[in-house]
Amino acid sequence: DGGITQSPKYLFRKEGQNVTLSCEQNLNHDAMYWYRQDPGQGLRLIYYSQIVNDFQKGDIAEGYSVSREKKESFPLTVTSAQKNPTAFYLCASSPSTGGGNQPQHFGDGTRLSIL
Amino acid sequence: GEDVEQSLFLSVREGDSSVINCTYTDSSSTYLYWYKQEPGAGLQLLTYIFSNMDMKQDQRLTVLLNKKDKHLSLRIADTQTGDSAIYFCAERMNTGNQFYFGTGTSLTVIP
Repeated sequence: DGGITQSPKYLFRKEGQNVTLSCEQNLNHDAMYWYRQDPGQGLRLIYYSQIVNDFQKGDIAEGYSVSREKKESFPLTVTSAQKNPTAFYLCASSPSTGGGNQPQHFGDGTRLSIL
Repeated sequence: GEDVEQSLFLSVREGDSSVINCTYTDSSSTYLYWYKQEPGAGLQLLTYIFSNMDMKQDQRLTVLLNKKDKHLSLRIADTQTGDSAIYFCAERMNTGNQFYFGTGTSLTVIP
């Protein structure tokens, strides 16, 4: 079945360490997104990518980095510069820009905690 | 960014109807969506409405859109305990492929 796979489901980070969250989709979607979810704050956009080898900062990009070398993959690195990384991270994808109903589809999330 | 507002909490008794409300500020959205999030999981698309429609019904779900007031609502008929979750509204903008999500409403269904 087509879908979005995020891994790992739980991740722990030590002080000063970079960690990478994986997001893979087999929906043939052009656009991919990373959101951070904190209790009572809804979803905040970290980065998004409309096409391979291109990505844009969202509202809270500081302390994060991404790459988009393949259409199906959009990994997120949480760097040591992100001082409060404990959160639930959600990856999403949607078809390319254009008309019509093109909702975002979500993975099951990765919960990141500080050791 | 776009402001999309929702009440944080809603409690209803099993069998009653639930109404979850959402307000937004940008009138250039094309499609508006409702998602459901169960604990520890991602967001599941429930239903959507095109911005030139007033109402859409899908089994127990009814979506109402008042474009003049920029108000969207989701009514769940005969609410069940399995409907307990967080519900997000989202709008897709007319330009680009940007989506804006509300803050989420936590629905608790009391048996």
